[in-house]
Amino acid sequence: QQQVKQSPQSLIVQKGGISIINCAYENTAFDYFPWYQQFPGKGPALLIAIRPDVSEKKEGRFTISFNKSAKQFSLHIMDSQPGDSATYFCAAMSAGNMLTFGGGTRLMVKP
Amino acid sequence: EAGVAQSPRYKIIEKRQSVAFWCNPISGHATLYWYQQILGQGPKLLIQFQNNGVVDDSQLPKDRFSAERLKGVDSTLKIQPAKLEDSAVYLCASSSSGQGRREQYFGPGTRLTVT
Repeated sequence: QQQVKQSPQSLIVQKGGISIINCAYENTAFDYFPWYQQFPGKGPALLIAIRPDVSEKKEGRFTISFNKSAKQFSLHIMDSQPGDSATYFCAAMSAGNMLTFGGGTRLMVKP
Repeated sequence: EAGVAQSPRYKIIEKRQSVAFWCNPISGHATLYWYQQILGQGPKLLIQFQNNGVVDDSQLPKDRFSAERLKGVDSTLKIQPAKLEDSAVYLCASSSSGQGRREQYFGPGTRLTVT
């Protein structure tokens, strides 16, 4: 059972544009929602994370928006750059600290 | 601070052979995880250790996969015998058990190809 659904699977954005990736979850026991960035040949790297008692968190050009009632959260990348081209994964964690990942979004930022 | 180390980085074996992967977590991290990442998918947790004890191995195919974490530091993941569908990247991650510390840090992974 896929507990975290991620969309779109791929995304092409022009340099300077806004990249938006959406995720939805089913398990209300999830209480920590990180986003990971993965470059080819590398392991996932933590980008930003949010807890469900907060509706938005911003770190530099990266913002997470969280809607607890809808069980949805999204990543916004402002002023997207070619160096942001990577695969992005949303994830959700419950009290046991076990991560459930979404399917991933391959982002390409065109110069 | 050194990151999570994994070896080998790449491994090619034939089906029915055995293979082992090694992971050295970030120093002081009590929790260690092994994930399987099939091409084009998100990582899937196989097993979680807290120190040298298993916390969860519900998604580990125990008929062919085994893992251990002796002395609560390094860990090895073994597949015996390997199947074609085991071709994937095997990621190791670690996290601190400190209060409120939930970030997991991933190693570069071992890419396994089973032919």
